[in-house]
Amino acid sequence: DQQVKQNSPSLSVQEGRISILNCDYTNSMFDYFLWYKKYPAEGPTFLISISSIKDKNEDGRFTVFLNKSAKHLSLHIVPSQPGDSAVYFCAASGGTSGSARQLTFGSGTQLTVLP
Amino acid sequence: SQTIHQWPATLVQPVGSPLSLECTVEGTSNPNLYWYRQAAGRGLQLLFYSVGIGQISSEVPQNLSASRPQDRQFILSSKKLLLSDSGFYLCAGGVGNEQFFGPGTRLTVL
Repeated sequence: DQQVKQNSPSLSVQEGRISILNCDYTNSMFDYFLWYKKYPAEGPTFLISISSIKDKNEDGRFTVFLNKSAKHLSLHIVPSQPGDSAVYFCAASGGTSGSARQLTFGSGTQLTVLP
Repeated sequence: SQTIHQWPATLVQPVGSPLSLECTVEGTSNPNLYWYRQAAGRGLQLLFYSVGIGQISSEVPQNLSASRPQDRQFILSSKKLLLSDSGFYLCAGGVGNEQFFGPGTRLTVL
C-alpha cells in the first residue's frame, strides 16, 4: 500500500519555464512534507518542506503547495535550469512527539530540463 | 549543520558472504539515525531506525540487521548476503522533522 504516490515517473521541461512536480498521499496522519532532490549515485539532498498548518512555502525558485483536503502537494520550480535535472522525491512524516520521525517516500519523478 | 559519512561507496560481494556498512554522523548529538534502501527505479524504503545507542527498530522483515554501538555510529550488517540484497543503501540522520542523507553505498551481490 503506497501511502505517498508520485504518479509521473518523468517530466521534461524547457529551460526557463516552470516545472511542476506532483505528489499525493493517503494517510491523514501525515503532518509534515518534504521534497528531496537526488542525482545518480548520490544521497538525496533536502530541498524544501512544509508543515500541515501551512498551504505554501517558498524558498527562492522553489515553492511547495499543500492542499490538505485533496491530500495533494506540488513542487514548483521557476525558472527551471538544466542543473535542476534530477530525480525528485516527495516524502511525508507523521508521528508522536519524541519518537523518531519516519519518512515515507514516493517513488520519485525524473525531471529533465532541456536547454 | 550535520554531515553524514558512509563507506564504502561501492561494494561487490558474492552471495553468502557477510556485509558491514558503516555510517557516522558529524555536527549533532543524539540524532535519530536511519538506514534506507533504494532498489533500481524505485523509491526509498526505510529498513531500520534508531533513537539512541543500542535502540534499533526494524521496519521490514529481511536478511539484514542494524546496530548502533555509539551515539553517532550506525552499522548495517548481514551474515549471508542474498542476490535480492543488491541496491543502493542510504544512511540518514536527523533531529525533528528533517533528515539529511549520506552519499550512499552501491551494493551488488553476485
